[in-house]
Amino acid sequence: GEDVEQSLFLSVREGDSSVINCTYTDSSSTYLYWYKQEPGAGLQLLTYIFSNMDMKQDQRLTVLLNKKDKHLSLRIADTQTGDSAIYFCAENGNTGGFKTIFGAGTRLFVKA
Amino acid sequence: DAGVIQSPRHEVTEMGQEVTLRCKPISGHNSLFWYRQTMMRGLELLIYFNNNVPIDDSGMPEDRFSAKMPNASFSTLKIQPSEPRDSAVYFCASSLGQDNEQFFGPGTRLTVL
Repeated sequence: GEDVEQSLFLSVREGDSSVINCTYTDSSSTYLYWYKQEPGAGLQLLTYIFSNMDMKQDQRLTVLLNKKDKHLSLRIADTQTGDSAIYFCAENGNTGGFKTIFGAGTRLFVKA
Repeated sequence: DAGVIQSPRHEVTEMGQEVTLRCKPISGHNSLFWYRQTMMRGLELLIYFNNNVPIDDSGMPEDRFSAKMPNASFSTLKIQPSEPRDSAVYFCASSLGQDNEQFFGPGTRLTVL
């Protein structure tokens, strides 16, 4: 079935850039999402990219999509301690029924 | 809007007891999702409903787990009997359409002793 994979942990120093990577299997994806989960809270949509785009930039966030390789990344420039959270990659597609599939989440640690 | 509401926020119970988790989705949303989150396994989709009808329950771990959605504004996830390995944070999410942005509740942290 469809699958979304991402590494579980990433550690960076404050001020550096963070790059969180994700791979997915469903080639019918229409949208790909990044959700953020802060400690003790539910997930919230951070940004998304339409499947016919290669890149989307939103302030410190840059989303890159390589549709051929089914690879999605989220770059956070000038990472701050407040960016410490779990970041989830998600995709929606119609393989096996139209629904959103989430990765397990990447826990970002930002060291001061 | 108050967002997705879940209750209780925390539940501590003993092995073998029945546990019922509750969710009120955002008014007007027609899709509802139940997830489980643990450190070891990350976020797992348990079941989702569309227009109150269960569409995919393939993520429900065992027959001990059951979920209902009697109307558009309420859903329950029941575990009977509960086991220590069920300890996790359980999230409910809702959306307008099953493939659109999902709005998550604050979660219920379940501890089974």
